[in-house]
Amino acid sequence: QVQLVESGGAVVQPGRSLRLSCAASGFIFTTYAIHWVRQAPGKGLEWVALISYDGGNKYFADSVRGRFTFSRDNSKNTVYLQMNGLRAEDTAVYYCARSRGYLGPFDFWGQGTLVTVSS
Amino acid sequence: EIVLTQSPGTLSLSPGERATLSCRASQSVSSSNLAWYQSKPGQAPRLIIYGASSRATGIPDRFSGSGSGTDFTLTIGRLEPEDFAVYYCQQYATSPTFGGGTKVEIK
Repeated sequence: QVQLVESGGAVVQPGRSLRLSCAASGFIFTTYAIHWVRQAPGKGLEWVALISYDGGNKYFADSVRGRFTFSRDNSKNTVYLQMNGLRAEDTAVYYCARSRGYLGPFDFWGQGTLVTVSS
Repeated sequence: EIVLTQSPGTLSLSPGERATLSCRASQSVSSSNLAWYQSKPGQAPRLIIYGASSRATGIPDRFSGSGSGTDFTLTIGRLEPEDFAVYYCQQYATSPTFGGGTKVEIK
């Protein structure tokens, strides 16, 4: 069955870095774009970043552009979100989700991983 | 950026009642590239509706979506206990954005 499993969430100090992973299984990974979406405590959903099926195109929300980078290893069916210069406002549950094409509905989501930025 | 505004913020209803949720966009959403998601605490969000009116795989027919341009609606025909959750609309015509959510709670 389709699975997206996030990992790497942790408690980190402001200004530090963290790398999240999202491992996929149960579908043809190379035919889907992958997104990161986050949900701060008590808040709604916020789209964070997108990587195309081949990793050649990446897009970021204004709130993270220049601090976060996104990569994928299609040989491992895994994407990575590198988060640098973390701020308190980056505290959230981070979900990965898939879509057909760059712009499409997110038809499957992972369970999420919690990132807490605090001194 | 397309801003989505959902209303009401909270909907208090009883099982068996009909729920009508609204999502208004700050500009026209092309090709009805609008989706609805259900979110429950501790669970992954689930796609309910895409293309404004198409049900996702496995979604019961009590869920229906309608609308175009800037005004969209999600209707839940008769609420089942498992339908009480937060619902988000999302546009994916451009850089994706989500609405603020509508919480459907048990009255």
